[in-house]
Amino acid sequence: EDQVTQSPEALRLQEGESSSLNCSYTVSGLRGLFWYRQDPGKGPEFLFTLYSAGEEKEKERLKATLTKKESFLHITAPKPEDSATYLCAVQDYGQNFVFGPGTRLSVLP
Amino acid sequence: DTEVTQTPKHLVMGMTNKKSLKCEQHMGHRAMYWYKQKAKKPPELMFVYSYEKLSINESVPSRFSPECPNSSLLNLHLHALQPEDSALYLCASSQEEGSTYGYTFGSGTRLTVV
Repeated sequence: EDQVTQSPEALRLQEGESSSLNCSYTVSGLRGLFWYRQDPGKGPEFLFTLYSAGEEKEKERLKATLTKKESFLHITAPKPEDSATYLCAVQDYGQNFVFGPGTRLSVLP
Repeated sequence: DTEVTQTPKHLVMGMTNKKSLKCEQHMGHRAMYWYKQKAKKPPELMFVYSYEKLSINESVPSRFSPECPNSSLLNLHLHALQPEDSALYLCASSQEEGSTYGYTFGSGTRLTVV
């Protein structure tokens, strides 16, 4: 059974204080690993798909990396508007799609 | 159009009421999904439609009844719900079922059962 865990559960950063979020996964065969951002009361917003170990993708202050067991979402010099819950999800070759519990990020001005 | 539109945004219903949630997309996506999300929890899959046919039902109680009238529309009919069914209901779509290009989510319907 596919499993996804994320750490930390919650993270508070000062504006400009860079950090990383972790997503650890166990999957029978990884078809894709996804990062989403979710604001309170809104639907998740797609950020990245990573397909294979060693792959990296960037979008503004966010950079996602992937190894065979985990993915990191690096946030460089975050701003208050980066505050949100960041969800990681994995998809296997059976098309099962499993979300992790998320990391709630707060960036203080 | 790159959006999934859900209506209504908020819904309060009694346990004896019948109501429907609506979802619409015009991206030509052939897979559509219903998810349920409780506070501080990740979304949980309820139903998947692929090419307008029900593909997956994650053992959802029969008081939730999905319907896909055409490739752009997805409904969720609600009847005799319980207070524990209160949650954010999310609709999503993707190019094909299981697409690795990511799912596009709507903003959700906040449902309160009283």
